[in-house]
Amino acid sequence: QVQLQESGPGLVKPSQTLSLTCTVSGGSISSGSYYWSWIRQPAGKGLEWIGRIYTSGSTNYNPSLKSRVSVSVDTSKNQFSLKLSSVTAADTAVYYCARGEGSGWPYYFDYWGQGTLVTVSS
Amino acid sequence: QSVLTQPPSVSGAPGQRVTISCTGSSSNIGAGYDVHWYQQLPGTAPKLLIYVNTNRPSGVPDRFSGSKSGTSASLAITGLQAEDEADYYCQSYDSSLSGLVFGGGTKLTVL
Repeated sequence: QVQLQESGPGLVKPSQTLSLTCTVSGGSISSGSYYWSWIRQPAGKGLEWIGRIYTSGSTNYNPSLKSRVSVSVDTSKNQFSLKLSSVTAADTAVYYCARGEGSGWPYYFDYWGQGTLVTVSS
Repeated sequence: QSVLTQPPSVSGAPGQRVTISCTGSSSNIGAGYDVHWYQQLPGTAPKLLIYVNTNRPSGVPDRFSGSKSGTSASLAITGLQAEDEADYYCQSYDSSLSGLVFGGGTKLTVL
């Protein structure tokens, strides 16, 4: 059974960089054909796809966030990470990591982390 | 404002059937892109409910079914139960936005 767990600071100051890590257990992050993804949800609002890194290492990002987002993978630790720069209060949300599966767009998310709340405030 | 439009809320009595619509356009559902559905219980992460329009993952009751036609998709829930009270989201891909998109979500209330 694949499990994902987010970790990182729960509080980030405005203009700084938000950094989160997702640890995958129950399977190797480098095996199979999966889209390791980040999704966020502001309080009381809907889901927003942030970006993903494919098993091959290729990345895709939400165009609205592309200039500020980076997703990377560390296969030795079975982890993938999110960096979001120049954050503002609008970036305050619960951040989820998830595994995407499927033959290309639009892949679906079959495993999710429990989510971690990140608040942007001074 | 999502490119996939869902009703903000639906409700039904136990045992009844409800449907949740997900209306898109020619750049997403109408372009042939698949639709997936998620259930989010209060305070928890979303859970995959339907994938590739009509398929249920193992463990999802057959009370849940999905369909797709033209520029829209629908999620149907029959034999409504109290435990079905949750938020439901559709998801697809939009070629104009060049990325994955979610519907705004629908809150299901079991009366």
